[in-house]
Amino acid sequence: DAKTTQPTSMDCAEGRAANLPCNHSTISGNEYVYWYRQIHSQGPQYIIHGLKNNETNEMASLIITEDRKSSTLILPHATLRDTAVYYCIVRVATGNAGNMLTFGGGTRLMVKP
Amino acid sequence: NAGVMQNPRHLVRRRGQEARLRCSPMKGHSHVYWYRQLPEEGLKFMVYLQKENIIDESGMPKERFSAEFPKEGPSILRIQQVVRGDSAAYFCASSPLRTSGRGRTDTQYFGPGTRLTVL
Repeated sequence: DAKTTQPTSMDCAEGRAANLPCNHSTISGNEYVYWYRQIHSQGPQYIIHGLKNNETNEMASLIITEDRKSSTLILPHATLRDTAVYYCIVRVATGNAGNMLTFGGGTRLMVKP
Repeated sequence: NAGVMQNPRHLVRRRGQEARLRCSPMKGHSHVYWYRQLPEEGLKFMVYLQKENIIDESGMPKERFSAEFPKEGPSILRIQQVVRGDSAAYFCASSPLRTSGRGRTDTQYFGPGTRLTVL
């Protein structure tokens, strides 16, 4: 699976949008971009995923650049409970090989009052 | 619809004892994954199982660790003769493995984890 690069940490004011970038310049055509987060020591929580089109759900929006080399996760109105480590993961979507999720260091988002 | 369930949530063992961690996947999911998170580190893949089959165990330590997912009942991660270095959080995830118009999507959903402490 392609490697991802994320900033180590970010701050965001409560109520403002949090924009978390991710670089995945070696992504292949059959690889999806997944986002998870881990709040404190809880189990990772799935947020959203996409292939090449922008995606939106009740939690967040995912913007993928046209060349697919980078993406941005957007939390439209961050709350204190969004403080967590956010992981951007690129993953092959076919066959049994590559079923694992490879977690990097992620971005530690701190939402401040 | 209950999520992925893991038990126990906390497990304390003395060196040399055995640890058994259980994972019940989400309803309708037949694929289970185990990950380990050592203190202050990221999650690392251990093993991927389907019912009665180990598909990928490339992340499993070669000794003392085993996993199963029987036809009936939860998936079990078993650690024999635990050592202090086994102290970690062990997370289980499950997925449905389905094919959609966008290609196969098999999002993994995680349980709350089991925190193993070896004294």
